[in-house]
Amino acid sequence: DTGVSQDPRHKITKRGQNVTFRCDPISEHNRLYWYRQTLGQGPEFLTYFQNEAQLEKSRLLSDRFSAERPKGSFSTLEIQRTEQGDSAMYLCASSLSAGGSNEQYFGPGTRLTVT
Amino acid sequence: GDSVTQMEGPVTLSEEAFLTINCTYTATGYPSLFWYVQYPGEGLQLLLKATKADDKGSNKGFEATYRKETTSFHLEKGSVQVSDSAVYFCALRENYGGSQGNLIFGKGTKLSVKP
Repeated sequence: DTGVSQDPRHKITKRGQNVTFRCDPISEHNRLYWYRQTLGQGPEFLTYFQNEAQLEKSRLLSDRFSAERPKGSFSTLEIQRTEQGDSAMYLCASSLSAGGSNEQYFGPGTRLTVT
Repeated sequence: GDSVTQMEGPVTLSEEAFLTINCTYTATGYPSLFWYVQYPGEGLQLLLKATKADDKGSNKGFEATYRKETTSFHLEKGSVQVSDSAVYFCALRENYGGSQGNLIFGKGTKLSVKP
């Protein structure tokens, strides 16, 4: 079990550029979540996948954001036309299922800085 | 909607002092409750959890009891160490059928323990 991994760990980009982040969940985990954490705040839910299906998106996820999980394995989160307000830590988590005692395991996050 | 409120930080304690971090929640159903910890430079780690009323979660000397009557899940430790310095997040997850399963976090409480 190698845990949840995210790539890159840090990304600095200029306003208006597109960025893409990758998350590799724990193998056999069928649920994958994306969260965003800004300085001094707790993580906020963005979207989640059950296998390859994206089942819910938060109102925080504007049209500039898109997420995919082809084949139900790794996931990508793309931000188009980045804005300074997108600067945050983007966290990925995976779990076996939604409820019960199946807990979410978090990756180390990708820190995005938009200049 | 559901929410989590935890005490504002930062909290500064001397080694071996008693720790309490208050957490209260608002939820429509019967959520599971969690404490996550984020050590400097590291990702979120699950510290402890409780899935139903009156359950006590415990780990590494930390404890929290799920109190439905007061909608609380306060974190306690009898004797803190310098290595406990971190940011602590209280979180809930709804468990009703069809729920997304995402976590809802408080803002976090930064704990600094001085030798």
